[in-house]
Amino acid sequence: SQQGEEDPQALSIQEGENATMNCSYKTSINNLQWYRQNSGRGLVHLILIRSNEREKHSGRLRVTLDTSKKSSSLLITASRAADTASYFCATDAGSNYQLIWGAGTKLIIKP
Amino acid sequence: EAEVAQSPRYKITEKSQAVAFWCDPISGHATLYWYRQILGQGPELLVQFQDESVVDDSQLPKDRFSAERLKGVDSTLKIQPAELGDSAMYLCASSLESQETQYFGPGTRLLVL
Repeated sequence: SQQGEEDPQALSIQEGENATMNCSYKTSINNLQWYRQNSGRGLVHLILIRSNEREKHSGRLRVTLDTSKKSSSLLITASRAADTASYFCATDAGSNYQLIWGAGTKLIIKP
Repeated sequence: EAEVAQSPRYKITEKSQAVAFWCDPISGHATLYWYRQILGQGPELLVQFQDESVVDDSQLPKDRFSAERLKGVDSTLKIQPAELGDSAMYLCASSLESQETQYFGPGTRLLVL
């Protein structure tokens, strides 16, 4: 069963705009991670945020975590065509801290 | 920059045949994962190794799937016999320890005809 659920399922924006994706989860976690996957390729790690952190930045990426609401958001600022990909959140909620993955948000950046 | 290697990148086989996938994790990474990803879905963990030991294989269809990591380095995932429903992307990942960042290989796309 899926732990994380990304919202929206798909998002299409103009280049230069900001993109926001959300992730909700069901059980308590130690950390939450965001990954990117270009079409037909492997996943690339973006950011890991721990349960005692509220916000984290990496370049044009900003991740927030609200453990009281069991939710996280990923903000990509000043989007570029190269940001076109699927974005997944994953939580370490498995029995041996395995990552449990959502179904992803498919982001399309229009030039 | 060190990467996770996987081969083959693509595999087409007929049902009832045997297939094998290989993964070489980043040097020094103790934890190795095999995932299956169906198009449009997130990855599903099949098996997790800590060094050469299986930590979790609860989602591995053991009647047809097997995985090994004999020397605690590279790993092989085998399917015998393959079924139509096995068509998917098979991803290998490694991490220094569990609970930490996972580094993924490019994946093997399997098509069973």
